Amino acid sequence: DSGVTQTPKHLITATGQRVTLRCSPRSGDLSVYWYQQSLDQGLQFLIQYYNGEERAKGNILERFSAQQFPDLHSELNLSSLELGDSALYFCASSPGTGPQYNEQFFGPGTRLTVL
Amino acid sequence: GDSVTQMEGPVTLSEEACLTINCTYTATGYPSLFWYVQYPGEGLQLLLKATKADDKGSNKGFEATYRKETTSFHLEKGSVQVSDSAVYFCALYSTNTGNQFYFGTGTSLTVIP
Repeated sequence: DSGVTQTPKHLITATGQRVTLRCSPRSGDLSVYWYQQSLDQGLQFLIQYYNGEERAKGNILERFSAQQFPDLHSELNLSSLELGDSALYFCASSPGTGPQYNEQFFGPGTRLTVL
Repeated sequence: GDSVTQMEGPVTLSEEACLTINCTYTATGYPSLFWYVQYPGEGLQLLLKATKADDKGSNKGFEATYRKETTSFHLEKGSVQVSDSAVYFCALYSTNTGNQFYFGTGTSLTVIP
């Protein structure tokens, strides 16, 4: 158990809908990272937050957004969902940001299925 | 840009066989290199890492050496067990483009008794 929790575990929804995925980092970790894992594209970095502020952005679509709250939990919002958004979404956390904090701890993931 | 290329799977081995999963990277500067493992139904876990050239990371019988001259970080184990069946991801951490991780596509390993 990494100490990172994600809810829900599974999510099934329809095209065009909007969903919110939630992540709670390990106790004391200030950085949260979101990743998308799909069969054809592997593990793609989406976005990082550090202590409430966006820190780094990867291959995140404009239909997706995220935020980190004062209690350090984070939410990933996916809107106007398409079939291709079906994937496993992982959250990871680390104590800080920068090279000295390059070990990340991953949650169990949320499996999103868009029908 | 920075990237990681790893050997495609799936790989099937008999118990006690030797394992090598190839990983090469493209990066400017001096990235840190990692191997993560994902067991069925779970998130990724750090297996080992190396932060500078010629460093060797090791854990649970697995090892990998950071080779700057060949831009490689191959994962090796001398004798695999059934419990090693998982998906293995090579990754690099780059400070060049905003402190990002770049992951390979993953290599699925199945070890049969």
